[in-house]
Amino acid sequence: AQTVTQSQPEMSVQEAETVTLSCTYDTSESDYYLFWYKQPPSRQMILVIRQEAYKQQNATENRFSVNFQKAAKSFSLKISDSQLGDAAMYFCAYFYTGTASKLTFGTGTRLQVTL
Amino acid sequence: EPEVTQTPSHQVTQMGQEVILRCVPISNHLYFYWYRQILGQKVEFLVSFYNNEISEKSEIFDDQFSVERPDGSNFTLKIRSTKLEDSAMYFCARVTVGGYTFGSGTRLTVV
Repeated sequence: AQTVTQSQPEMSVQEAETVTLSCTYDTSESDYYLFWYKQPPSRQMILVIRQEAYKQQNATENRFSVNFQKAAKSFSLKISDSQLGDAAMYFCAYFYTGTASKLTFGTGTRLQVTL
Repeated sequence: EPEVTQTPSHQVTQMGQEVILRCVPISNHLYFYWYRQILGQKVEFLVSFYNNEISEKSEIFDDQFSVERPDGSNFTLKIRSTKLEDSAMYFCARVTVGGYTFGSGTRLTVV
């Protein structure tokens, strides 16, 4: 069974600084997606960034980028130039591209952004 | 604005009552999912629904729960005889090309 582990329950970063959130996963599959979701206090799940396992190039979305290490099964999220609006829970998630597969989530990292 | 709308956004119900949570996708998709998130905990898979049938369900999804697509567009999750521990956020989701889209969520409070 697939598992996703986020070992940092809480992280803090100063505004304008850079922070990296860690995620590791375990799977025997070769074709899958990895995601980072942001959950603000409204509790809506917002997709931040996704990575296809077959792509070697790390995904980037504006200030958000990932460091995807497939052999190590590691998928960290880097947030550059942190803003107050980045404060939220961040969940790492795994999705196998087989038929009707479900998302498997990590336990989340709460990110605080300080002035 | 999310591509998947859920109603109601918040529902308060008495223990033992039945609730129906609704999900309305804008476009027509075959795969739908329900997830649950108890406050302060991670998001948990409940059930996947493909072509009007359950394709996979978790151990959480027992006889208390059921899913339907009654009119070809709405997608419902019914919880019978609610318990205090059913209080949670409930999300529906659909698979798109290259990803997952979550609905806006329904906050269920059982009192």
